[in-house]
Amino acid sequence: AQTVTQSQPEMSVQEAETVTLSCTYDTSESNYYLFWYKQPPSRQMILVIRQEAYKQQNATENRFSVNFQKAAKSFSLKISDSQLGDTAMYFCAFMKGQAGTALIFGKGTTLSVSS
Amino acid sequence: NAGVTQTPKFQVLKTGQSMTLQCAQDMNHEYMSWYRQDPGMGLRLIHYSVGAGITDQGEVPNGYNVSRSTTEDFPLRLLSAAPSQTSVYFCASSYLRQGIRYEQYFGPGTRLTVT
Repeated sequence: AQTVTQSQPEMSVQEAETVTLSCTYDTSESNYYLFWYKQPPSRQMILVIRQEAYKQQNATENRFSVNFQKAAKSFSLKISDSQLGDTAMYFCAFMKGQAGTALIFGKGTTLSVSS
Repeated sequence: NAGVTQTPKFQVLKTGQSMTLQCAQDMNHEYMSWYRQDPGMGLRLIHYSVGAGITDQGEVPNGYNVSRSTTEDFPLRLLSAAPSQTSVYFCASSYLRQGIRYEQYFGPGTRLTVT
């Protein structure tokens, strides 16, 4: 069975700083996807970034980037130039590559950005 | 496109009552799923469907029933509500194209309280 672990329940950062959220996972699968979702106080789940396991290049989306270490089964999220709107719960999630599979979520990290 | 819609947004039930949470998507996604979110637990899969007429259980299926008569709709039924079912419920949909599994799109959630 797959598991996803987020070891930081809460983090705080000042505006314009850089912060890294940690995520590790356990799987014996070779074909899978990894995601970071953001959940602001509105509770809407918003996709931040995705990574295919077969791609060696780390995914980036504007101020968001990941450090994907496949051998170490690590998938951290780096947020550069933090903004107040980044305040949210962040979930790391794993999905097998086959059809009809679900997301397996970590327990989340609450990020607070202050001015 | 409206994306994934859920109704109602909020609901209060008494123990033993039954109800149906509605979920619909207009993106022609073949895969749909229901998750529940509890504090400190992340999101956990209740039931999922890979197409009309096909459903299967997730991690926490007890007390819930689903059906999928059309591609667009995937209702979740609570058979006899219990306080342990107090949670936020999310519906999500996804699709597979040319062997690539794309990310899940989430509805806005339903906050359910069982007294």
